[in-house]
Amino acid sequence: SQQGEEDPQALSIQEGENATMNCSYKTSINNLQWYRQNSGRGLVHLILIRSNEREKHSGRLRVTLDTSKKSSSLLITASRAADTASYFCATADSNYQLIWGAGTKLIIKP
Amino acid sequence: ETGVTQSPTHLIKTRGQQVTLRCSSQSGHNTVSWYQQALGQGPQFIFQYYREEENGRGNFPPRFSGLQFPNYSSELNVNALELDDSALYLCASSLELGRDTEAFFGQGTRLTVV
Repeated sequence: SQQGEEDPQALSIQEGENATMNCSYKTSINNLQWYRQNSGRGLVHLILIRSNEREKHSGRLRVTLDTSKKSSSLLITASRAADTASYFCATADSNYQLIWGAGTKLIIKP
Repeated sequence: ETGVTQSPTHLIKTRGQQVTLRCSSQSGHNTVSWYQQALGQGPQFIFQYYREEENGRGNFPPRFSGLQFPNYSSELNVNALELDDSALYLCASSLELGRDTEAFFGQGTRLTVV
């Protein structure tokens, strides 16, 4: 079963614009992680936000977490063609295993 | 590059056959997890190994089995292959077992069952 659900399923924007994608989850969490996957290859860790954090930044990435709404958002500012990928959120269950959403497919148009 | 290597990268097998996929974890990592990812879907957890012991299993039948070796490399074995087993199989290693631990993924093995 999948813990998180990303929204939207797909997003297409112009290069230079900001991209926002959301993740909702079902159970209480210790942390939430965001990963990127290029075209059916391995996933790359982007950022981890703990349940007692509300916002975290890493370069052009900004992640927020609202535990009362069981939701998180990932903002990519000043998008580039290289940001074209699928983005997934994941949470760790009580056995430390990652449970994943279905992902948001982001396309950056030049 | 994450330092996690998987082999082979692509594989075509016939229904009913058996397959072994291999994963070499990043140096110093003692935890390995395996995932199945169907096209257009998120990864589905298969099982996890910590210091050579299975530490949990997802909703997969017993014909999916695994091993972790003393050097922490790992294998995923699938018996009696079915068409629905066609997917990208991902291996991820972690430095330790824990909720705050980042997972480092290999590039995956694309399995096609015909």
